Amino acid sequence: SQTIHQWPATLVQPVGSPLSLECTVEGTSNPNLYWYRQAAGRGLQLLFYSVGIGQISSEVPQNLSASRPQDRQFILSSKKLLLSDSGFYLCAWSASSRTDTQYFGPGTRLTVL
Amino acid sequence: AQSVAQPEDQVNVAEGNPLTVKCTYSVSGNPYLFWYVQYPNRGLQFLLKYITGDNLVKGSYGFEAEFNKSQTSFHLKKPSALVSDSALYFCAVRDQATDSWGKFQFGAGTQVVVTP
Repeated sequence: SQTIHQWPATLVQPVGSPLSLECTVEGTSNPNLYWYRQAAGRGLQLLFYSVGIGQISSEVPQNLSASRPQDRQFILSSKKLLLSDSGFYLCAWSASSRTDTQYFGPGTRLTVL
Repeated sequence: AQSVAQPEDQVNVAEGNPLTVKCTYSVSGNPYLFWYVQYPNRGLQFLLKYITGDNLVKGSYGFEAEFNKSQTSFHLKKPSALVSDSALYFCAVRDQATDSWGKFQFGAGTQVVVTP
């Protein structure tokens, strides 16, 4: 069966510091991968998606970036964090069919102070 | 363009009573519809989906949802709510006409509170 991992689970970082969040998927190959941010425990905002290694699309302009160095690894990064980057970051994967479900990881709680 | 609305921020229900969480959608083509549940500080868990076929879809934990094309709705239901059903519920839609990478449009979420 497929599993999705995210780490760290929680992170407290000062403003201006760098960020690296990692997501890995097991038990599948060539998944579509997604990064979401959830602010204030509610709505989900799609940040990035990837349909293959090195293929990243951004949904919103921001000081975050994403990379996919391996088939089942998706990394969210920032060079300098802002207060507004605080939130709950969720990684998800799906197979490539239009009917396929997105499955979410456990999330990373980021607090920028 | 695709959109989804969850008109209720919060639904309160007594344990043992029926639970309904409302969702309406708008797509240019035919919809793929999904329900997820989120417990505090956890990721979203998939409950059920409608792709095609029978309008009544059964999912995990005793939940079901009914696809109504004329009313463009996909309400989530459970005949008898449990205190453990207290959580945040999300409806999501994909238009069949979208790209294969599968962008979902999520609703704003409905907080369900089940009281003993």
